Amino acid sequence: KAGVTQTPRYLIKTRGQQVTLSCSPISGHRSVSWYQQTPGQGLQFLFEYFSETQRNKGNFPGRFSGRQFSNSRSEMNVSTLELGDSALYLCASSLDPGGEAFFGQGTRLTVV
Amino acid sequence: KNEVEQSPQNLTAQEGEFITINCSYSVGISALHWLQQHPGGGIVSLFMLSSGKKKHGRLIATINIQEKHSSLHITASHPRDSAVYICAVIALYGGATNKLIFGTGTLLAVQP
Repeated sequence: KAGVTQTPRYLIKTRGQQVTLSCSPISGHRSVSWYQQTPGQGLQFLFEYFSETQRNKGNFPGRFSGRQFSNSRSEMNVSTLELGDSALYLCASSLDPGGEAFFGQGTRLTVV
Repeated sequence: KNEVEQSPQNLTAQEGEFITINCSYSVGISALHWLQQHPGGGIVSLFMLSSGKKKHGRLIATINIQEKHSSLHITASHPRDSAVYICAVIALYGGATNKLIFGTGTLLAVQP
């Protein structure tokens, strides 16, 4: 069974641009959550989706948004990129909310 | 003060040693994860615990809900165990959720 797949793996963007990251959960998993990892702040929760609905949102500005599709695939979007958005963005999926989470390899975003 | 504290932050061991990493948390939780992250970013879920003890190969995880404390033990450590080990909890106030609150991680280096 394939694991959690995140695309792209690496991305370089310029300040002010926007970016969309994709996460395909493990087949059958309906819950997807997103996290940001930076050297300064560590791992922080971004948002959580279940059945195409956002259930929780972390303490991030409105420039960070996401959605989940009917096949449980999820995307997150960051608009008006800032240098501080450079980070590893990780996606995790589970069968249902509160279940064991399985992580993807992450997308490393560099904003220049 | 962080809701999830880990100790030690850095740990160097000789191959074959028994290793313990500790995690204390200040919130009521429904579950606790132990995660492993190798250089390059990908996170692997080692254990998800809500009570008692779990064992997988040379890894053992225990949790004491009353004391709000968990430990991860590695027996007969090996250089391939070198990684960052991260404790993460699902807070009770969140209900059934995958909103994880992370510790800062323990960087383990096992020398041959």
